[in-house]
Parts: sequence; structure tokens; C-alpha cells
Amino acid sequence: NAGVTQTPKFRVLKTGQSMTLLCAQDMNHEYMYWYRQDPGMGLRLIHYSVGEGTTAKGEVPDGYNVSRLKKQNFLLGLESAAPSQTSVYFCASSYRAGTRSADTQYFGPGTRLTVL
Amino acid sequence: LAKTTQPISMDSYEGQEVNITCSHNNIATNDYITWYQQFPSQGPRFIIQGYKTKVTNEVASLFIPADRKSSTLSLPRVSLSDTAVYYCLVGDLYLNTPLVFGKGTRLSVIA
Repeated sequence: NAGVTQTPKFRVLKTGQSMTLLCAQDMNHEYMYWYRQDPGMGLRLIHYSVGEGTTAKGEVPDGYNVSRLKKQNFLLGLESAAPSQTSVYFCASSYRAGTRSADTQYFGPGTRLTVL
Repeated sequence: LAKTTQPISMDSYEGQEVNITCSHNNIATNDYITWYQQFPSQGPRFIIQGYKTKVTNEVASLFIPADRKSSTLSLPRVSLSDTAVYYCLVGDLYLNTPLVFGKGTRLSVIA
């Protein structure tokens, strides 16, 4: 099992450019999450999904869009990148609420994004 | 969601036992307590979870007093490789609402 993988690992964008970050999991998890982590800060939830075709906003959703067309994939899009979006982005997945170990999130290795 | 409070940082020497306390005064009846560990340049990973009393696994122990308003993560005989950020999360496992990661506690282990 690869667990949770993220593509790409690094990216540099210019202000106003767009890009999509891909997260994939092979654990058949229902829930998937996108977080951002800034230097010296904890993780802040951007968007999450409780199932294929459904998404919801987290703490800091502005400037991002997401899609969950397939259960194993969760895409994070930046339509017009801004320097404030320079961060490390982590994807995670977990079983659905109400199941044993539902609260255990499995994280990917992260994507380091720099917006100039 | 129950708010948690942890020390921002802690230092310890190798071989010592480290106890990190998390306060969660407004914990709800159905809330569980979960701890994650994050090494530099990696995503967090699950360490331990509990509801009450004591839970122990191969990595750590979790102590939860009867009133559940706080919890203590105990790391026995830490080594340099235990240097990481430790997050305490509190929430209901049976709700769809994701848990909130705070800033965590940065543990530095010194030789």
C-alpha cells in the first residue's frame, strides 16, 4: 500500500497562475482533507470531503476549490495564486465517522508551494 | 468543538521521561482525545487515542483523569529522534466534523 500520496512535491508559481494539487489514497477511506501549514504554525483545514462527490469548507477555504470525483482522489485547486498562499499543503484521509479508528488521519508527505 | 491548550515548547535530555499536558476544559461526553506527532518536513502521524483512564501502546502512554478536563501524553526515555511537534485533538468520533489541529507542542530532545 502506498498510503496517501501527493503530487507534486514542490512547485513555484507566479502570482495569478493557477494549479491543481492531487491527493490519492489506496486505503478505501471515505473522508479526505486538505490542510495548509505555515512556518511555526499548526495545520489549518482548507476543505474536506466525507464522500465521493461531496465537499465542505474548513477553517481557511478562501482562494481554494476542491473536487472529489473519485473516492480515492481529492484535488485542491488554486485559480489565481497569491503570495499569501505560499505554504506546505498536506492531504489526509480517514475512515468515516462512527467507525473504529475513524479519528485516525493518515497524512501524505506534503507539497511545498511558493508563490512569487 | 472542545478547545485545547498545550505548552508551546518543551526541552528534554535524552533518556528522560517527557510528559506533555493538554487542557480541554469544555470536553463533551462523546469526545475522544487523540495525539499526533509531526517530524520536520513530514505530515503528522497518529500516536495514541483514549477516552478515560490510561491507554498505553508501543510509542506512548496517555493519562486521562476522571474529570477528563486534561490529558497527559507520556513519552518514556526519549531519544533525539523524538524531537517533533505533538498535537492534542479533542472531538467526537461519531460526527462528520473534522477535528482542529492547534499549534501543538514543539519538543526538543537534547543529547
